[in-house]
Amino acid sequence: NAGVTQTPKFRVLKTGQSMTLLCAQDMNHEYMYWYRQDPGMGLRLIHYSVGEGTTAKGEVPDGYNVSRLKKQNFLLGLESAAPSQTSVYFCASSTGGSPLHFGNGTRLTVT
Amino acid sequence: QKEVEQDPGPLSVPEGAIVSLNCTYSNSAFQYFMWYRQYSRKGPELLMYTYSSGNKEDGRFTAQVDKSSKYISLFIRDSQPSDSATYLCAMNSNYQLIWGAGTKLIIKP
Repeated sequence: NAGVTQTPKFRVLKTGQSMTLLCAQDMNHEYMYWYRQDPGMGLRLIHYSVGEGTTAKGEVPDGYNVSRLKKQNFLLGLESAAPSQTSVYFCASSTGGSPLHFGNGTRLTVT
Repeated sequence: QKEVEQDPGPLSVPEGAIVSLNCTYSNSAFQYFMWYRQYSRKGPELLMYTYSSGNKEDGRFTAQVDKSSKYISLFIRDSQPSDSATYLCAMNSNYQLIWGAGTKLIIKP
């Protein structure tokens, strides 16, 4: 019973490098979300998707892109990483309302 | 001013104590109220979910919503060291959740 799986778990990038974070869910959920979590800031929504082939901006979308080519996968891309993107990134999925099911996060450091 | 305010703590209490965690909010349109628990280096997991004002009980946990005061609480009875975690409140009026910053709770054996 995997639920929501995020890869990689940890990553260190240099400023300007690019990377893609992968989220996979096996619960057949329509909705998927990418959040970042920073100390004292709580969870902030980056992008979300309400179904395969659709994406939408959240609260803090700048510097990130996403794709939802398959229902079970939601990719988050950083084209040119900046130190301000150092954070813990969480993917979540749901049927459209609560509860959200979260992965265990990707810890990204940008130097 | 943030839409949802939550004291970040840490809150440290002895084992067996009653714990009270709180959030205040400013948007009267919020209808659904949730508490998530997050252990260190893990993702948040849903603990309690309420829709209306009043109390909802689940084992040692009670969620309380006071819409007139825009105030929600989570009570933990007979607290255990395994309850040590960060507790996040969340609320919404549609499919997007607005999150509190989380309160770190430490239960001392």
